[in-house]
Amino acid sequence: SQKIEQNSEALNIQEGKTATLTCNYTNYSPAYLQWYRQDPGRGPVFLLLIRENEKEKRKERLKVTFDTTLKQSLFHITASQPADSATYLCALDESSGNTGKLIFGQGTTLQVKP
Amino acid sequence: DTAVSQTPKYLVTQMGNDKSIKCEQNLGHDTMYWYKQDSKKFLKIMFSYNNKELIINETVPNRFSPKSPDKAHLNLHINSLELGDSAVYFCASSQVLAGSHNEQFFGPGTRLTVL
Repeated sequence: SQKIEQNSEALNIQEGKTATLTCNYTNYSPAYLQWYRQDPGRGPVFLLLIRENEKEKRKERLKVTFDTTLKQSLFHITASQPADSATYLCALDESSGNTGKLIFGQGTTLQVKP
Repeated sequence: DTAVSQTPKYLVTQMGNDKSIKCEQNLGHDTMYWYKQDSKKFLKIMFSYNNKELIINETVPNRFSPKSPDKAHLNLHINSLELGDSAVYFCASSQVLAGSHNEQFFGPGTRLTVL
């Protein structure tokens, strides 16, 4: 079955820099890939979705890329702020949208220092 | 208005007890899910219901039984609780359109501690 790997080590960056988080998957390329944000003690919140035929997707300071050759998605936060500190989860749908069965990575914790 | 709500937020109980967690969504979605997030923060799907029909049933001990009285509610009942059941349980909902994406909306979680 599909396996997703995210860097389990925390990422510490200085405010104003660009944070780049990596998500790798092992088997077939999913039809789309999602990114969520999770704050301590809260449920995940959807951020962005990218389809397999899209190379890049942007939303405000967020950018996601999807490389089906490398089996990898990169998640960028530009001009990072302390408020961006959270755990970021990538997820893919094993059912190609038919049942919504999401497989999540273990998440990468981002810490933005002022 | 809370989109996906869960009760209780915290649940502390003894081994061997039976407990239930309730979930409600007011988004009009047709699909609801239960996830378990363990101490290592892995979020793993357990069950999913679409219009009161069970559509995802992962390898979960049969002590766990979901029940969906209507498409806005999905409850999780756990029998004979074990120490390993301690985790945070999240409910989520989405509108599943076949072949399309489905952004999921998560509840605040229920932290279950089994002593």
